[in-house]
Amino acid sequence: AQKVTQAQTEISVVEKEDVTLDCVYETRDTTYYLFWYKQPPSGELVFLIRRNSFDEQNEISGRYSWNFQKSTSSFNFTITASQVVDSAVYFCALSERTNSGYALNFGKGTSLLVTP
Amino acid sequence: DAGITQSPRHKVTETGTPVTLRCHQTENHRYMYWYRQDPGHGLRLIHYSYGVKDTDKGEVSDGYSVSRSKTEDFLLTLESATSSQTSVYFCAISESTAGIYNEQFFGPGTRLTVL
Repeated sequence: AQKVTQAQTEISVVEKEDVTLDCVYETRDTTYYLFWYKQPPSGELVFLIRRNSFDEQNEISGRYSWNFQKSTSSFNFTITASQVVDSAVYFCALSERTNSGYALNFGKGTSLLVTP
Repeated sequence: DAGITQSPRHKVTETGTPVTLRCHQTENHRYMYWYRQDPGHGLRLIHYSYGVKDTDKGEVSDGYSVSRSKTEDFLLTLESATSSQTSVYFCAISESTAGIYNEQFFGPGTRLTVL
């Protein structure tokens, strides 16, 4: 069965600290995709990144970076120099093939609080 | 931003009443999804659609039905609402080509309370 584990339920940091959100997944698919979404206090879900299983290059986008390691089935997300606006719940998700397409299997989320 | 709207945005209803939530998209995407979000559970798939009149069940489909008569609309119906269906419901859309799983874009959510 597909599974996504975000072991950190809540993290609290002070502004400008770096923080890493962990994501570990299980799948039997040889081709799969991993995603990160952000859910700020306003409640909407914002897409951050998609990574396919054949591309293990790390990705950097501004203060955000992602480390994909197939050997450890992990897709970790690091925020450098965190800011108050980064406070949100972050979800890691894994593509799951269905009978006629695919769906997303979400982790339970990590709530990040960045204080001034 | 992807053109996805959900209606109503908030609803309070009583146990045993039928409820229909609507998701409307302007992106002409093939796939549409309904998820529910509950504390401690993340998001869980209820039903999804892979085309007009083509739907399939997700992880938590019991007590829910869906319909898609037009590309742009995906309806979620609770035939007889129960308190366990109190949740926030999200609609999502995506386009997928030849086994490439593109990202899903989410609507703003509907907060449903069943008393």
